[in-house]
Amino acid sequence: GAGVSQTPSNKVTEKGKYVELRCDPISGHTALYWYRQSLGQGPEFLIYFQGTGAADDSGLPNDRFFAVRPEGSVSTLKIQRTERGDSAMYLCASSLSLAASTDTQYFGPGTRLTVL
Amino acid sequence: AQSVTQPDIHITVSEGASLELRCNYSYGATPYLFWYVQSPGQGLQLLLKYFSGDTLVQGIKGFEAEFKRSQSSFNLRKPSVHWSDAAEYFCAVGAYSGSARQLTFGSGTQLTVLP
Repeated sequence: GAGVSQTPSNKVTEKGKYVELRCDPISGHTALYWYRQSLGQGPEFLIYFQGTGAADDSGLPNDRFFAVRPEGSVSTLKIQRTERGDSAMYLCASSLSLAASTDTQYFGPGTRLTVL
Repeated sequence: AQSVTQPDIHITVSEGASLELRCNYSYGATPYLFWYVQSPGQGLQLLLKYFSGDTLVQGIKGFEAEFKRSQSSFNLRKPSVHWSDAAEYFCAVGAYSGSARQLTFGSGTQLTVLP
């Protein structure tokens, strides 16, 4: 079956601009996660959705970052007034989240964001 | 707060040699542990996971990992490395408490395989 997909694969923008990154989870997965991976680092957690609601947004770095999942499937990560420090790979993952003991997150290929 | 340390930034092995990638974690409760592999231009692929039970876990592509609670370690091993194993490897600990479902990753180990 289809895995997690993310669009665009690459996004180049100018400092101060607004960007949207899209994630299509695996069909039937109720949980969706966003991570950010800077060069030479492991992914860092940003936000977790269970259904339509953000169950844990403790990883969002500041109020310029916002994410939605209005119908419990596709999610959009929105970044306002982009800064050069926002340049990174943004990864999306999804899981069935039936129980913690069996939960496995499946990752998409990521969106490479470059802020000039 | 949980944390993961991967002490080796870069490892080089010859094809056919054995491999061990180190991972140490810090977590207050029973850890859920994962190893992922990332190839250039690819997303993270799950190699194996430990939730409970047998401390020696078998994964895909011939990888295995052993959970050692006394050493807070979850090292990844492979008896004979193939050239296609060259990639970056990430160890992660899962924090599952209340509404939290986040993974905390180490900084990764880059594996180079020599012919």
